[in-house]
Amino acid sequence: DAGITQSPRHKVTETGTPVTLRCHQTENHRYMYWYRQDPGHGLRLIHYSYGVKDTDKGEVSDGYSVSRSKTEDFLLTLESATSSQTSVYFCAIRTRTGNTGELFFGEGSRLTVL
Amino acid sequence: AQSVTQLGSHVSVSEGALVLLRCNYSSSVPPYLFWYVQYPNQGLQLLLKYTSAATLVKGINGFEAEFKKSETSFHLTKPSAHMSDAAEYFCAVSFNAGGTSYGKLTFGQGTILTVHP
Repeated sequence: DAGITQSPRHKVTETGTPVTLRCHQTENHRYMYWYRQDPGHGLRLIHYSYGVKDTDKGEVSDGYSVSRSKTEDFLLTLESATSSQTSVYFCAIRTRTGNTGELFFGEGSRLTVL
Repeated sequence: AQSVTQLGSHVSVSEGALVLLRCNYSSSVPPYLFWYVQYPNQGLQLLLKYTSAATLVKGINGFEAEFKKSETSFHLTKPSAHMSDAAEYFCAVSFNAGGTSYGKLTFGQGTILTVHP
């Protein structure tokens, strides 16, 4: 257990509304990631963070923003949700042990945009 | 750019049969390679990883994978399937986990394994 908590775990919203997903970690890890999972696409990186206030875009960042004001929290925001953003969102962290790049994942947040 | 291709979105085997899930990668530098498993409504769990040590890597639950540079492959195998192995499996690649890559993983499309009694 890498101490990752995602909230909310399930959310249904309407097109055009803002949505924020939260990833909280308890072990002070520097690197955090947001992925989305869609059938046939595996997991695709949305944004990642390599420290407080240090973030960068992944391969599918359009329509998403992130913030990391403190080490333990990494927020993913959909400013105006669209139906194409219906997905399962996973937060991940990279632990300090070793330099092998393995990630540990949260339980996921299922978002439905109607 | 790095990429991962998993051959076969669905694989079906009988209980006790060999499991073979295929993964090919593309990377311009020596890769780190991973297999993850996802059970229904859960997050991803690391099965095993290759990090440039032994080319035959053993993981949890009896799974193993062999890194073959000449074939750019990292196929996952298990000699005898169990009903509890039914899940979705993902191959992933990273490289230079320090430096400018920031440890990002690129995932394949996933393979759903079904095990029949």
